[in-house]
Amino acid sequence: KNEVEQSPQNLTAQEGEFITINCSYSVGISALHWLQQHPGGGIVSLFMLSSGKKKHGRLIATINIQEKHSSLHITASHPRDSAVYICAVRQGNKLVFGAGTILRVKS
Amino acid sequence: DVKVTQSSRYLVKRTGEKVFLECVQDMDHENMFWYRQDPGLGLRLIYFSYDVKMKEKGDIPEGYSVSREKKERFSLILESASTNQTSMYLCASRPTLDRDYGYTFGSGTRLTVV
Repeated sequence: KNEVEQSPQNLTAQEGEFITINCSYSVGISALHWLQQHPGGGIVSLFMLSSGKKKHGRLIATINIQEKHSSLHITASHPRDSAVYICAVRQGNKLVFGAGTILRVKS
Repeated sequence: DVKVTQSSRYLVKRTGEKVFLECVQDMDHENMFWYRQDPGLGLRLIYFSYDVKMKEKGDIPEGYSVSREKKERFSLILESASTNQTSMYLCASRPTLDRDYGYTFGSGTRLTVV
C-alpha cells in the first residue's frame, strides 16, 4: 500500500463544474503539498499546508491532520485546469508523492 | 522567480552509454533533488543534496550517481544507461531543510534508452 493515496486516478468534468481531488496518507508529516503538472512535464507548486485551509483564486486546499486527509477543490473549472494534480507529503528531508490524479475538463 | 533549468527536454541514448543530466537553479538554494517519474508510480527520489559536495541516497539510487561541485548545479549521472532507466527525470530545489518552504521544479527531461 502506498503511503500517499490519491483519488480518483482519473477525472473528467464539464467546464464550470466543482471538482474535488482527495489525498490520504498513512505516515506522520510536517507538511503536505499540492502540485500541478501540465503536459510536457513541468511541475508547479500550488499549495503547501500544515493545517487548515488555503485559497488561491479558484483553488482551495484543506487538510485534516487528525484524519490524515487533504482535499484540493477547483471551483468553476475550466479546460485550462486540465493537468495532473499531485499530492506530496513531507517526511523529514524528503517528499513522498501520490501517483497523481489526471484531470480533464471539457468545454 | 526562482528558476530551475534542466539542460535537455528530450534525450535518446543507447544502452551502456554514460548519461549526464544537468540541473541549474538561480536562487542560491541549499537543497536540490533528482526524481524520476513513471506512470502509476508517481515521483520517486533518486538522490538529494543539502549542500555543495554533500549528497544522500533517495529511495531508488541504484544505477545512478550525482555530483554537486557548485551550489547552483546538481548533476545526475547514469553510469551505464539501461532500458529500465527510460523515464521522465525531474530536478527540484528548495531553500533549506530547516523550515517548510515550497519546492521549485524544473521542466523535466524525458530520457529514452534504446
